Amino acid sequence: GIQVEQSPPDLILQEGANSTLRCNFSDSVNNLQWFHQNPWGQLINLFYIPSGTKQNGRLSATTVATERYSLLYISSSQTTDSGVYFCAAARYTSGTYKYIFGTGTRLKVLA
Amino acid sequence: ETGVTQTPRHLVMGMTNKKSLKCEQHLGHNAMYWYKQSAKKPLELMFVYSLEERVENNSVPSRFSPECPNSSHLFLHLHTLQPEDSALYLCASSQDRQAGVTFGSGTRLTVV
Repeated sequence: GIQVEQSPPDLILQEGANSTLRCNFSDSVNNLQWFHQNPWGQLINLFYIPSGTKQNGRLSATTVATERYSLLYISSSQTTDSGVYFCAAARYTSGTYKYIFGTGTRLKVLA
Repeated sequence: ETGVTQTPRHLVMGMTNKKSLKCEQHLGHNAMYWYKQSAKKPLELMFVYSLEERVENNSVPSRFSPECPNSSHLFLHLHTLQPEDSALYLCASSQDRQAGVTFGSGTRLTVV
């Protein structure tokens, strides 16, 4: 099955700094998503990005499907950006998608 | 109600109890999922239902029993659990060949 790896595992930033989170996946995929998990456990969808580049405010993401990686950029970080960031990759098999998650990047933004 | 709703939000149960987790999606999706998230571990896919039929069961112990009576509802029946089953259980839904998967807020389960 698909293997998903994320780096770095932990990241500490000063407020206002920029960062790049990386997601590598082992096989071709049809879907890729980035999520932010808040302290209460809720997974918030940030981007659905199987290929190309998208931007939403201070966040942007790029997926290069042919090279099997995706990047999440956070600019001008704020303390509210703290939490765990997951990427999930999926391929369409047996009539549905199976989303496989990476181990996450735990981000802490200091005031 | 919008999105994916899970109840209860928190559950404490003894090892001999039987309980059920409930998930309801209001998005018109046709696939639903159960994931388990233990401390310090990635999300593990437990079950996938597509059009109310189970298409994936990732070697989950039989003390977890899913039920999908229709495309909007998903249950996870629990019995004789172990303390190591304590975790956050997340439900999700998606629409085949469309944009991504949406998660509920989860049920935080503690087995004592």
